[in-house]
Amino acid sequence: AQSVTQLDSQVPVFEEAPVELRCNYSSSVSVYLFWYVQYPNQGLQLLLKYLSGSTLVKGINGFEAEFNKSQTSFHLRKPSVHISDTAEYFCAVAYNNNDMRFGAGTRLTVKP
Amino acid sequence: KAGVTQTPRYLIKTRGQQVTLSCSPISGHRSVSWYQQTPGQGLQFLFEYFSETQRNKGNFPGRFSGRQFSNSRSEMNVSTLELGDSALYLCASRPTGKANEKLFFGSGTQLSVL
Repeated sequence: AQSVTQLDSQVPVFEEAPVELRCNYSSSVSVYLFWYVQYPNQGLQLLLKYLSGSTLVKGINGFEAEFNKSQTSFHLRKPSVHISDTAEYFCAVAYNNNDMRFGAGTRLTVKP
Repeated sequence: KAGVTQTPRYLIKTRGQQVTLSCSPISGHRSVSWYQQTPGQGLQFLFEYFSETQRNKGNFPGRFSGRQFSNSRSEMNVSTLELGDSALYLCASRPTGKANEKLFFGSGTQLSVL
């Protein structure tokens, strides 16, 4: 069965520290990969996406992610986080049948 | 362009009742997807509609149903509500629903079942 696994449910970090949010997926076919962010009391908005080409993808707010096909991973990184990055982050995988599946989410808390 | 609009924002119902949630997609978007969000479970896919036809369906019981109108607006219905149906229900639209299109989400409807 196709699945998306976010390995950490909660990640606490201090302001200006680097952060990595991990995502693994299961698939034997080509997929498209996305990271979405959800701020409190809001819907989700797209951070970045990988469709093809360069495996390092840059998104909004200084985030980037690297697609690793052999490890079926798409980890999200930011070299220096801000208080305003506190939110829930969702990894999503889209399959060729237009089905999009989400991970359980990672709650990032940035402390001063 | 107006974003995805979901109404109502909050709902309180009791067990056994039914509920209808509404979603207006971004103008021009023909694909509408529905997700259930609960703490620890992330987003669970309910179904997707495209041009008034259900195109994909997740693993939810038949109590969960939906439809799409000719103007692409969509409704979701849950009958015989259970306590476990309490969740944030999110609607998302895409222009054509292709796999490489990003989803545009509404702010959701928070459903509480007492």
